[in-house]
Amino acid sequence: EVQLVESGGGLVKPGGSLRLSCTASGFTFSNAWMDWVRQAPGKGLEWVGRIKSKTDGGTTDYAAPVKGRFTISRDDSKNTLFLQMNSLKTEDTAVYYCTTADVGAWGQGTLVTVSS
Amino acid sequence: QAVVTQEPSLTVSPGGTVTLTCGSSTGAVTSGHYPYWFQQKPGQAPTTLIYDINKKHSWTPARFSGSLLGGKAALTLSGAQPEDEAEYYCLLSYSGARPVFGGGTKLTVL
Repeated sequence: EVQLVESGGGLVKPGGSLRLSCTASGFTFSNAWMDWVRQAPGKGLEWVGRIKSKTDGGTTDYAAPVKGRFTISRDDSKNTLFLQMNSLKTEDTAVYYCTTADVGAWGQGTLVTVSS
Repeated sequence: QAVVTQEPSLTVSPGGTVTLTCGSSTGAVTSGHYPYWFQQKPGQAPTTLIYDINKKHSWTPARFSGSLLGGKAALTLSGAQPEDEAEYYCLLSYSGARPVFGGGTKLTVL
């Protein structure tokens, strides 16, 4: 069974940092391009960023609102995707999902709240 | 950045047929945009219904189909069921640029 499980969300003050994790199972994680997508309360889906598989270069790309503040990485030996979020702003408050188009899977999401 | 447009809301009768569309501010949607369609029910994570215009996953009900229609990507629901009431999002990929979600269509089955 394909599964993505996010963790690491929580309450953080503006300017703070948080690292999200996404553990994958049921498919060949190392071959997959992985995305982070977020959803602010009551709003639509917003693409955050992507990391390609190492065989495709392992490069990353980010949406403009998070570029320079967020970093996506992966540990293929642990089937885990990461999202390092720095200099957090109140507008980063959202449920963060990891997803992969390769197998059409989504995690259940983890809530990040940025508030003083 | 491109803007992807969807109908904010649509209503369909049980058993009826409805088509949701997904347009791009840059022009006609083509196969090169690799359109995706996602379904999201309240309080749940999204699920992927359609990818690459019209390809389905094993869990996609047969009553859903994807196509290109009049310069847009389209999701057609034939034989709507009460459980199809949800928010539907499309996603378009842009060569050399980041993928963009549409704003979503709230589908009511009534």
